[in-house]
Amino acid sequence: DAKTTQPPSMDCAEGRAANLPCNHSTISGNEYVYWYRQIHSQGPQYIIHGLKNNETNEMASLIITEDRKSSTLILPHATLRDTAVYYCIVLNQGGKLIFGQGTELSVKP
Amino acid sequence: DTAVSQTPKYLVTQMGNDKSIKCEQNLGHDTMYWYKQDSKKFLKIMFSYNNKELIINETVPNRFSPKSPDKAHLNLHINSLELGDSAVYFCASNNRAGGEKLFFGSGTQLSVL
Repeated sequence: DAKTTQPPSMDCAEGRAANLPCNHSTISGNEYVYWYRQIHSQGPQYIIHGLKNNETNEMASLIITEDRKSSTLILPHATLRDTAVYYCIVLNQGGKLIFGQGTELSVKP
Repeated sequence: DTAVSQTPKYLVTQMGNDKSIKCEQNLGHDTMYWYKQDSKKFLKIMFSYNNKELIINETVPNRFSPKSPDKAHLNLHINSLELGDSAVYFCASNNRAGGEKLFFGSGTQLSVL
């Protein structure tokens, strides 16, 4: 499975959009991009995933570049409850979900 | 209704003891997992069972023995506990054919003294 690179930490003002980048330059054609988050003292939570097209659900939007070498998770209106570690994971269907270090997002009032 | 429930939430025990952590999911999923999160917050997969059959077994000491009595349960038994086993253990589940959208439990914090 391809490796991902994320900034270790980011800040975001409450109510503003949080844009979390992820580089996955070695991604192969059949690998998906998954995003999870872990709020302090809780289990990881699935957010969204995609293959080629941009995706949106009730939690977030996922923008994948045309060459698929990077993606951005967008939380459109961040709240204090969105403070968490966000993990970008690239894997094949049926592959192992392997968590890296992620990005620690702090949403500030 | 908790989707993936683990018990106990906290477990404090002495070195050398044997302990079990239980996990149950009521989502009708066919695959269950155990992950370990150490003090540096790295989440590592340990085991995965699909329809009661072991499909992933990472490099885990054989003191750790998962047991899946049915699709809805995956228990983790640990023999001869060591200090280094102290961590938070997370159970998760999904339908294997549905991609890697896993549902995680709230974790069991194991402290070995």
